[in-house]
Amino acid sequence: NAGVMQNPRHLVRRRGQEARLRCSPMKGHSHVYWYRQLPEEGLKFMVYLQKENIIDESGMPKERFSAEFPKEGPSILRIQQVVRGDSAAYFCASSLRTGRNEAFFGQGTRLTVV
Amino acid sequence: DQQVKQNSPSLSVQEGRISILNCDYTNSMFDYFLWYKKYPAEGPTFLISISSIKDKNEDGRFTVFLNKSAKHLSLHIVPSQPGDSAVYFCAARDLMEYGNKLVFGAGTILRVKS
Repeated sequence: NAGVMQNPRHLVRRRGQEARLRCSPMKGHSHVYWYRQLPEEGLKFMVYLQKENIIDESGMPKERFSAEFPKEGPSILRIQQVVRGDSAAYFCASSLRTGRNEAFFGQGTRLTVV
Repeated sequence: DQQVKQNSPSLSVQEGRISILNCDYTNSMFDYFLWYKKYPAEGPTFLISISSIKDKNEDGRFTVFLNKSAKHLSLHIVPSQPGDSAVYFCAARDLMEYGNKLVFGAGTILRVKS
């Protein structure tokens, strides 16, 4: 029973390039959350998706960032025209349903913008 | 505006002794609290949780205490083991939010010395 899978684990992009981060939730989980962890900080919520729907994107920067969770395939967090400040660890979590149950995290993608 | 605060960046404890990690929150709508443990280069792993209707929850060596009037919770680890050395994050969920969106503290680095 595979856990939450994120890839790539490490991603290096030059300023101005696009970054695509992928997340496959645990089997049977239809709720996906993306978090970002900047150095020396805790995880900050970015976006919450269910299959084909964005439920809450209150933590997403207004520009350059987008997320999707298609009917088939992994959830994708896309960052266009990356800047140095986007360098961080990006974590995806999934849960079985809403309500009082735990969200399980992937190992994260460490994005470095050079 | 930090709604969840972990004021101790680090804690050092001798093996076999008790580790106490503290967390304060400001949002009175938080009704569910979780502790996550994180090793370097890995994702957070769920440890223990507590609902706001309880004041204590115990799971093996781990106990979480909740003081709602003080908006304070703590994680006790007894006895502490070297393998417990990690970053510990306190997280909370808002009753008014749909889903499992979590608000995290900045984390406390626990070092257990053998």
